[in-house]
Amino acid sequence: GENVEQHPSTLSVQEGDSAVIKCTYSDSASNYFPWYKQELGKRPQLIIDIRSNVGEKKDQRIAVTLNKTAKHFSLHITETQPEDSAVYFCAASIGDSWGKLQFGAGTQVVVTP
Amino acid sequence: SAVISQKPSRDICQRGTSLTIQCQVDSQVTMMFWYRQQPGQSLTLIATANQGSEATYESGFVIDKFPISRPNLTFSTLTVSNMSPEDSSIYLCSVVKGSTDTQYFGPGTRLTVL
Repeated sequence: GENVEQHPSTLSVQEGDSAVIKCTYSDSASNYFPWYKQELGKRPQLIIDIRSNVGEKKDQRIAVTLNKTAKHFSLHITETQPEDSAVYFCAASIGDSWGKLQFGAGTQVVVTP
Repeated sequence: SAVISQKPSRDICQRGTSLTIQCQVDSQVTMMFWYRQQPGQSLTLIATANQGSEATYESGFVIDKFPISRPNLTFSTLTVSNMSPEDSSIYLCSVVKGSTDTQYFGPGTRLTVL
């Protein structure tokens, strides 16, 4: 079945450094790839997404890249701040099932001052 | 976006009982989904709540255990039936509006089964 792998599971960075999280997916029909940030005890919040007709998208300090040929996509956070500390989940749309998402296992990001 | 509320926000239940979780959205949405997030884990899709018809369940989830209703375009319920401690999780609803892919999550219901 469909599978989304996410690495690393934990990521510790110094404030001001960059953080990169990578995901791979197996479903060739996936065409939508959102990233969610979940702070402790809170709901997942969409932070950025990308569709398969785009290779890169940027929103201030956050960027996502997509390589459809290799079936992988990455989240890049630059100039990290302590408030970036959270669990980040990647997801990929499931085939032709509109709206359905398969999530990665999550990355715990800790930004130390 | 969408304003999504869930009731209850948390509950502690005895094994063998059932709990119904409500998800209310402030405007009509196209799709509604129910997810489970076990402690420290990722999100797992339980089912798609279909308006006016039976929900579509993912592998490993069945209607007898997780009956779902969606009577209109702004409301859905998930029931966790005959609960056991293994059902202790956070249950989240999510919605998609219009013809977009963008999915928004409710605040979740934290369920503890003793």
